[in-house]
Amino acid sequence: EVQFLESGGGLVQPGGSLRLSCVASGLTFSSYAMSWVRQAPGKGLEWVSVISGSGASTYYADSVKGRFTISRDNFKNTLYLQMNSLRAEDTALYYCAKGLDYRLLDYDYWGQGTLVTVSS
Amino acid sequence: QSALTQPASVSGSPGQSITISCTGTSSDVGRFNYVSWYQQRPGKAPKLMIYDVTNRPSGVSNRFSGSKSGNTASLTISGLQPEDEADYYCSSYTSTSTPYVFGTGTKVTVL
Repeated sequence: EVQFLESGGGLVQPGGSLRLSCVASGLTFSSYAMSWVRQAPGKGLEWVSVISGSGASTYYADSVKGRFTISRDNFKNTLYLQMNSLRAEDTALYYCAKGLDYRLLDYDYWGQGTLVTVSS
Repeated sequence: QSALTQPASVSGSPGQSITISCTGTSSDVGRFNYVSWYQQRPGKAPKLMIYDVTNRPSGVSNRFSGSKSGNTASLTISGLQPEDEADYYCSSYTSTSTPYVFGTGTKVTVL
């Protein structure tokens, strides 16, 4: 069974940093692109970033470009999101999601999310 | 890149059919046949219901169907059931600097 478990969320002050992790199981992790998608409390989904299976290609939403970095360790079956210069508007539940088939985008499996709160 | 536009809410009685619209632009919905739909129940992660405008993943009921015309995509739920009550989000590839965008979301209520 394909499963993802996110961790690393918490309360951080504006301007601070946080690193999220997403551990995968039940699949050949390196074969699939992985993404981060976030959802502010009571709001809709917002796409954040994607990384190819090899890690060679990455893309970001304009709202996080230059502040967030996506990476992966295929030996540890783990996806990361390094978040710097955090703002109040980054407060959200962050999901990791697996790319459908062998494409970068569209998602067939999701984790349960980790909550990031940016507040002083 | 702005979110795709969806109606805030749609409702229907059990057994009826409802349609949710998803309006984008010539840079996203109108340009690509890569429109997807996700169902999100309260407190749960999203679930892929439709991809590539019309395709259903394995295990998704054939009561769910998708279509597209120009810059607007649609999700139709036939034979509405109580368990269909959820939020629904469309998504699309885009040709802008943000390569993927979700819709604003639609709350479906089964009366």
